[in-house]
Amino acid sequence: GEDVEQSLFLSVREGDSSVINCTYTDSSSTYLYWYKQEPGAGLQLLTYIFSNMDMKQDQRLTVLLNKKDKHLSLRIADTQTGDSAIYFCAERMDSSYKLIFGSGTRLLVRP
Amino acid sequence: GAGVSQSPSNKVTEKGKDVELRCDPISGHTALYWYRQSLGQGLEFLIYFQGNSAPDKSGLPSDRFSAERTGGSVSTLTIQRTQQEDSAVYLCASSPSSGIGGRDSGYTFGSGTRLTVV
Repeated sequence: GEDVEQSLFLSVREGDSSVINCTYTDSSSTYLYWYKQEPGAGLQLLTYIFSNMDMKQDQRLTVLLNKKDKHLSLRIADTQTGDSAIYFCAERMDSSYKLIFGSGTRLLVRP
Repeated sequence: GAGVSQSPSNKVTEKGKDVELRCDPISGHTALYWYRQSLGQGLEFLIYFQGNSAPDKSGLPSDRFSAERTGGSVSTLTIQRTQQEDSAVYLCASSPSSGIGGRDSGYTFGSGTRLTVV
């Protein structure tokens, strides 16, 4: 079945790196996404990775995918207070239009 | 429009009343989705529209929920006889296509409607 798991909370100091982890169960997932939700706002697509990739880097963001362990991570370098938000991991199979979301990880960046 | 627009942004209603939530997708996006986000939870899929095809209603939690999409653009999610457990943020998203079997199209989300049933 489809299930996406995330830890609920992460606290880091400003300037440090943040690593948010996600595990998924469906090995046929083709696309994996990271969304950011700021208070009172909708979800903003940060980045996504195809299942045939191991890593994707986009400025301060690095996504690592371990297909064997079905583990996805998002690393934010030089974390800023503006990065404080809820981060959602999501998966989608190539045969489906539906995104399956995790419960979100709340990132708190301390000054 | 430039983004996905949802209205109202907040709605407080009495238990038992009907409510209508509106979504105006990005112009030209053929796919439209409704999700529900309950407090502290992830997003729960409700319904999907793609062009003129029959919608996928498999995520609607009960027959009190219905949705339509007129002219392939604006969508309305209707909840009849609201209950307290319907309180949540209702998010709408659109994408250029379904993304099935092809390159990813990505969703663009609206800011949501926060529904509170008292």
